[in-house]
Amino acid sequence: GEDVEQSLFLSVREGDSSVINCTYTDSSSTYLYWYKQEPGAGLQLLTYIFSNMDMKQDQRLTVLLNKKDKHLSLRIADTQTGDSAIYFCAESFNDYKLSFGAGTTVTVRA
Amino acid sequence: GAGVSQSPSNKVTEKGKDVELRCDPISGHTALYWYRQRLGQGLEFLIYFQGNSAPDKSGLPSDRFSAERTGESVSTLTIQRTQQEDSAVYLCASSPYPGTANTEAFFGQGTRLTVV
Repeated sequence: GEDVEQSLFLSVREGDSSVINCTYTDSSSTYLYWYKQEPGAGLQLLTYIFSNMDMKQDQRLTVLLNKKDKHLSLRIADTQTGDSAIYFCAESFNDYKLSFGAGTTVTVRA
Repeated sequence: GAGVSQSPSNKVTEKGKDVELRCDPISGHTALYWYRQRLGQGLEFLIYFQGNSAPDKSGLPSDRFSAERTGESVSTLTIQRTQQEDSAVYLCASSPYPGTANTEAFFGQGTRLTVV
């Protein structure tokens, strides 16, 4: 079955690093994704990682994938107030169908 | 506009009524999806259209739900005899090419449906 789980809330101080964690159940996932949803805006693809990779870095974002434990994380370095949003972890098994977690609400405090 | 446009942005309807939600994808995008986001839950896949191929309707929760798409343009999601459990945000997304759908999908802002 398809089941993606993530913690619901994260509070972080501005300038610190944020780490958002996600677990998934289906080992046949081909890609894993992180999406960002800001208030009043559509979902935005932040980054994704192919299942045969362990890590991907993109500017302030670092994605770590542990296939053995089916664990995905997103680290945001030097978190800014503009990073306050809901972050969704997702996995896919084919070209178009995504299975999403419930989202982690990240609040950045001064 | 340049993005995926959905209308209405908000819809309140009485239980038992039919509703129609509209999605205008980005021009030229061949793939279109509908997802549902219930409060506190992740997005649920509903349906996928790709060009003139038969749509994947495997995510539609009941026969009260249907969706159509004309060619590679507008799509409508229809919910008949709405129930309170249909209350959710309905999200539409489009992407330019088959096979890259997940990495190049653009989402609309959604339609918030409230059934009272």
